[in-house]
Amino acid sequence: DAGVIQSPRHEVTEMGQEVTLRCKLISGHNSLFWYRQTMMRGLELLIYFNNNVPIDDSGMPEDRFSAKMPNASFSTLKIQPSEPRDSAVYFCASTPYYGYTFGSGTRLTVV
Amino acid sequence: DAKTTQPPSMDCAEGRAANLPCNHSTISGNEYVYWYRQIHSQGPQYIIHGLKNNETNEMASLIITEDRKSSTLILPHATLRDTAVYYCIVRPPFGNEKLTFGTGTRLTIIP
Repeated sequence: DAGVIQSPRHEVTEMGQEVTLRCKLISGHNSLFWYRQTMMRGLELLIYFNNNVPIDDSGMPEDRFSAKMPNASFSTLKIQPSEPRDSAVYFCASTPYYGYTFGSGTRLTVV
Repeated sequence: DAKTTQPPSMDCAEGRAANLPCNHSTISGNEYVYWYRQIHSQGPQYIIHGLKNNETNEMASLIITEDRKSSTLILPHATLRDTAVYYCIVRPPFGNEKLTFGTGTRLTIIP
């Protein structure tokens, strides 16, 4: 199993542009979590899904952020329009029951 | 989720046992203790979890006090690759519930 796969690994974009981060879950895992990590705020949960259904999106900072899970194995996190304060490492993780498996992250820089 | 308290940093000599403490005095009866670690610029990695009995796996041992108000993660023979931030988290047993990360303990293994 290749684990949780995130793409791209690095993204540099200009302020105002749309950014889409992608995550492929481990086969058979039914929960998907999106986290953001910065030096100031640490690891923050943005949103999580169970069986493709969003359960808690209270961590999504504002309407510029949206997440979808169109099928059981894939999710996207979109930021539109992006701002410099969105610069962070974004992780997704999946789990079958316990023991989350995290992807390697996407380092986003908005200039 | 119950709050946890960990020392911000610790050092340990290579080859020695690293003992990382965690206080969780408000833990509820059905909450498990989970440990994760994050090696620089990687996604967090699951280490171990337990309810009230001591647990051991190939990575570490987890010792939970009888009153469950604190626990210790033990890395029996620390190597330089164990240098990381270690997070202690308490949460209900339901696998699809979110993980809330604190600030963790930055463990540095000294050659």
